[in-house]
Amino acid sequence: SQTIHQWPATLVQPVGSPLSLECTVEGTSNPNLYWYRQAAGRGLQLLFYSVGIGQISSEVPQNLSASRPQDRQFILSSKKLLLSDSGFYLCAWAGSNTEAFFGQGTRLTVV
Amino acid sequence: AQSVSQHNHHVILSEAASLELGCNYSYGGTVNLFWYVQYPGQHLQLLLKYFSGDPLVKGIKGFEAEFIKSKFSFNLRKPSVQWSDTAEYFCAVIPWIDFGNEKLTFGTGTRLTIIP
Repeated sequence: SQTIHQWPATLVQPVGSPLSLECTVEGTSNPNLYWYRQAAGRGLQLLFYSVGIGQISSEVPQNLSASRPQDRQFILSSKKLLLSDSGFYLCAWAGSNTEAFFGQGTRLTVV
Repeated sequence: AQSVSQHNHHVILSEAASLELGCNYSYGGTVNLFWYVQYPGQHLQLLLKYFSGDPLVKGIKGFEAEFIKSKFSFNLRKPSVQWSDTAEYFCAVIPWIDFGNEKLTFGTGTRLTIIP
């Protein structure tokens, strides 16, 4: 069966520090991968999605970037965090004609 | 640009009342549609999905949704709500096998509060 792992669950980082959130999927190949940020009243804001290795589409210009170095690995990064980067980040995968499956999420607090 | 609109931001109902939450999307091609629910303090859970076939889709916990292609709508319904339905509800859309544009877009959500 397919599973998705996202870590860490919580993270407290100082302003200006780098960020790396990792997401891996098991039990499927060539998944579509997504990074979302969830904020109260704003739903799930799509940040990045990827349909294949090295293929990244950015939805919102911001201080973050994403990479897909392997088929089932999706990384969200920042070189220098801002206070406004605080939030709840969700990784998800979907296959062709399947629903999306979500990771447990990462609560990021930038201090 | 592809988008999903949920017009009701917060709905308050009494138990046993009927529910309908609106969802409209903008995309010119064929789509797959979803409703997710997030109970307080919990993670997103799939309620139901539409890929093709019968436009009236039945999901878990007595929920159903109707896809009306001409209206670009996928409204969620439940004939009689319970206090345990208090949650936030999200509509989502993804283009159907539109290679290179498999963007899964969510609406901003509707918070549903059921009064006992």
